Amino acid sequence: DTAVSQTPKYLVTQMGNDKSIKCEQNLGHDTMYWYKQDSKKFLKIMFSYNNKELIINETVPNRFSPKSPDKAHLNLHINSLELGDSAVYFCASSQPGQETQYFGPGTRLLVL
Amino acid sequence: AQSVTQPDIHITVSEGASLELRCNYSYGATPYLFWYVQSPGQGLQLLLKYFSGDTLVQGIKGFEAEFKRSQSSFNLRKPSVHWSDAAEYFCALNTNAGKSTFGDGTTLTVKP
Repeated sequence: DTAVSQTPKYLVTQMGNDKSIKCEQNLGHDTMYWYKQDSKKFLKIMFSYNNKELIINETVPNRFSPKSPDKAHLNLHINSLELGDSAVYFCASSQPGQETQYFGPGTRLLVL
Repeated sequence: AQSVTQPDIHITVSEGASLELRCNYSYGATPYLFWYVQSPGQGLQLLLKYFSGDTLVQGIKGFEAEFKRSQSSFNLRKPSVHWSDAAEYFCALNTNAGKSTFGDGTTLTVKP
């Protein structure tokens, strides 16, 4: 069974479109994250949710809006996509006190 | 604010040779430290972690790392590298507030 899954795996879209990426974890973790990995492979945290509540919100444009319907899901909605949004987006989860993060396989977003 | 520095962007070693990947951190308290590996097109996999206790930690795939508080370092080592170890390696730091900071990664190439 996949521990942290993301859909879609690949996403190619036009500038200006709105798109969503979904993440689900079946590990029973309370905390979930979104990371962005750019073309140079730099990995930066975007958001962190603990039990459906936002706890970390790094400097990310307002066009990015995370939504956590329950603690097993953390979705990322992106409005008005720009060329610079092209990247690999990783979802991760962890349990407070254990700190180890389990990563999903990534969603490769290409904005044309 | 915390930071993680991986001084080596790219390292090339011959198969069977020993490996050391450097990681330096900056944080005011004792950090939680991690090494992750990312194979091409894949997500991140945890190699090992340090929370407290023994400063030499063993991980999967024959990797180990040593926490040196005096040097603010957490270097990753492997005595004999295999071709399958070629990947991107990330050092990461977690604070007890749950915030994660990743280094910029080190690309490992293994020569036959």
